[in-house]
Amino acid sequence: ETGVTQSPTHLIKTRGQQVTLRCSSQSGHNTVSWYQQALGQGPQFIFQYYREEENGRGNFPPRFSGLQFPNYSSELNVNALELDDSALYLCASSLAGGGNEQYFGPGTRLTVT
Amino acid sequence: AQSVTQLDSQVPVFEEAPVELRCNYSSSVSVYLFWYVQYPNQGLQLLLKYLSGSTLVESINGFEAEFNKSQTSFHLRKPSVHISDTAEYFCAVSERGGGSNYKLTFGKGTLLTVNP
Repeated sequence: ETGVTQSPTHLIKTRGQQVTLRCSSQSGHNTVSWYQQALGQGPQFIFQYYREEENGRGNFPPRFSGLQFPNYSSELNVNALELDDSALYLCASSLAGGGNEQYFGPGTRLTVT
Repeated sequence: AQSVTQLDSQVPVFEEAPVELRCNYSSSVSVYLFWYVQYPNQGLQLLLKYLSGSTLVESINGFEAEFNKSQTSFHLRKPSVHISDTAEYFCAVSERGGGSNYKLTFGKGTLLTVNP
């Protein structure tokens, strides 16, 4: 059983640029959630995808967008990067349903300069 | 809206001492409760969870947490810690949102440092 993988591991971008982060979900999982973890903070929910459709969104602006593909892998896109977007971005996959464990990937560390 | 408060940002203890990491939550509906652990430069790993039934839940590595509905708490305890328990611990809740959205709301974390 392959766990959740994310790419790239680290990324450095300049303010105003765009970035795409990728996540491969665990085999059999149909739900992917994305979280932003700023330094010294707990993860904050960005959005969730279920069967290729957005299924809930946190308090993040529209320049944060995503996709889920038929194989349930997912992308997080951030446009017009700001310095405050510097964070660890975590992807988690799960089966749909309350109480089901979300399995987290190792994260992508994004630095915006 | 739901929120989670972890009352201690850092907890230093000596090896083999007991420890309690405190977590309180607020929510207008029933919740599921979780503790996740994050080791340096790694993602989050589920430590234990409360869904229903017995209010005391245990993990395989000696941690336990008790759900207290009246106090809206889910404190994490271990009677004797090891140096390998040094990590950041996050308390999280989920409640049913729209559709099948079971987002997790996390606290800010507690850094447990176990000293020899």
